[in-house]
Amino acid sequence: EPEVTQTPSHQVTQMGQEVILRCVPISNHLYFYWYRQILGQKVEFLVSFYNNEISEKSEIFDDQFSVERPDGSNFTLKIRSTKLEDSAMYFCASSDNGGRQAGDTGELFFGEGSRLTVL
Amino acid sequence: GEDVEQSLFLSVREGDSSVINCTYTDSSSTYLYWYKQEPGAGLQLLTYIFSNMDMKQDQRLTVLLNKKDKHLSLRIADTQTGDSAIYFCAENTGFQKLVFGTGTRLLVSP
Repeated sequence: EPEVTQTPSHQVTQMGQEVILRCVPISNHLYFYWYRQILGQKVEFLVSFYNNEISEKSEIFDDQFSVERPDGSNFTLKIRSTKLEDSAMYFCASSDNGGRQAGDTGELFFGEGSRLTVL
Repeated sequence: GEDVEQSLFLSVREGDSSVINCTYTDSSSTYLYWYKQEPGAGLQLLTYIFSNMDMKQDQRLTVLLNKKDKHLSLRIADTQTGDSAIYFCAENTGFQKLVFGTGTRLLVSP
């Protein structure tokens, strides 16, 4: 069964360092997302991406964050200068529909997450 | 803003039914979802319901939606120890932007 894969599964970094989290979405999907979950808190939407541009982003997704689809398979989240409060589990997701058309289920397929620990 | 609330913890015995409840705030949500998260794993979509339905059954899972009260529930029949996990309710507030609840940790004891 096709799945979303994420690397690394766990990354420890020093405050102020740049981090890139990588995701390989399901191959025929066109819509990509990042969510995050701070320990003990809710899963929060960060950003959605379609047609090589950001569709929507949350207040969390400030100038320190960026996303990119550098080739036909990877989707990356970059945090330019990490802060302690960026420590969280980051989930990538993909979908074959954008939830905009009648009949779209809005079903997202999530990866297993990348745990980021900022010291 | 949108908010989704769930009780934090539920403990049942194997073979019993489990009912996990959720309340949401955005009445314009088109779809509502239940996700399951096992330890160390990602978010697995269990089932979803369209907002114009009031019930959906899928094998051991029954989803009930009360749109008037903005209340969603997930019933798991004949709960097994393998069902122990965290269950997240989520609403689609538009274009795949999901708002998740805090998650309910289900513990199934033998």
